[in-house]
Amino acid sequence: DTAVSQTPKYLVTQMGNDKSIKCEQNLGHDTMYWYKQDSKKFLKIMFSYNNKELIINETVPNRFSPKSPDKAHLNLHINSLELGDSAVYFCASRTSGIGAKNIQYFGAGTRLSVL
Amino acid sequence: DQQVKQNSPSLSVQEGRISILNCDYTNSMFDYFLWYKKYPAEGPTFLISISSIKDKNEDGRFTVFLNKSAKHLSLHIVPSQPGDSAVYFCAASAFPFTDKLIFGTGTRLQVFP
Repeated sequence: DTAVSQTPKYLVTQMGNDKSIKCEQNLGHDTMYWYKQDSKKFLKIMFSYNNKELIINETVPNRFSPKSPDKAHLNLHINSLELGDSAVYFCASRTSGIGAKNIQYFGAGTRLSVL
Repeated sequence: DQQVKQNSPSLSVQEGRISILNCDYTNSMFDYFLWYKKYPAEGPTFLISISSIKDKNEDGRFTVFLNKSAKHLSLHIVPSQPGDSAVYFCAASAFPFTDKLIFGTGTRLQVFP
């Protein structure tokens, strides 16, 4: 009963390809995020969505396009993959109701390797 | 521009002793702080948080202390157990203005018997 699940866990692909990472949460949360952890272990936010609406877009190249079909899902599509896109991508979610704290729950991550 | 810093990349502590992990921040707008624990090949797991209106929050063996004037927080684990061996990330946010979490680079804690 994984709360925030991401697929795939590992993704190895060639430069120039297009790939997608899926994320689903069964916590009933209404806000979801994508974070990137690079080779230096910095964990940085990329996007956030609240009830399917984009809230945060952190100067991420427009090759990255998040899509939220419903509030339980936030997928990440990456076009024309580059070597520098190699990283671990984490999905997270939280509830944003009245009085909610900013506690975000993370998935296990997707390790993307671009060759 | 690293707004959240964990200056100790690693810490080694004997089982049963206290582990103290430190975190410094620069942005005075930060008012909500969290600690996450991360095992290899897993996502960060929420451990404990503290709001800027408090200076201490306790949950079992874990206590977080916040010194706003020094822009410093610490996580105390007492007593430390081998299962606590993991990477610990400090995170901060200027909540509720934004829910964006700014993470430190982590401290790897090893608890040995």
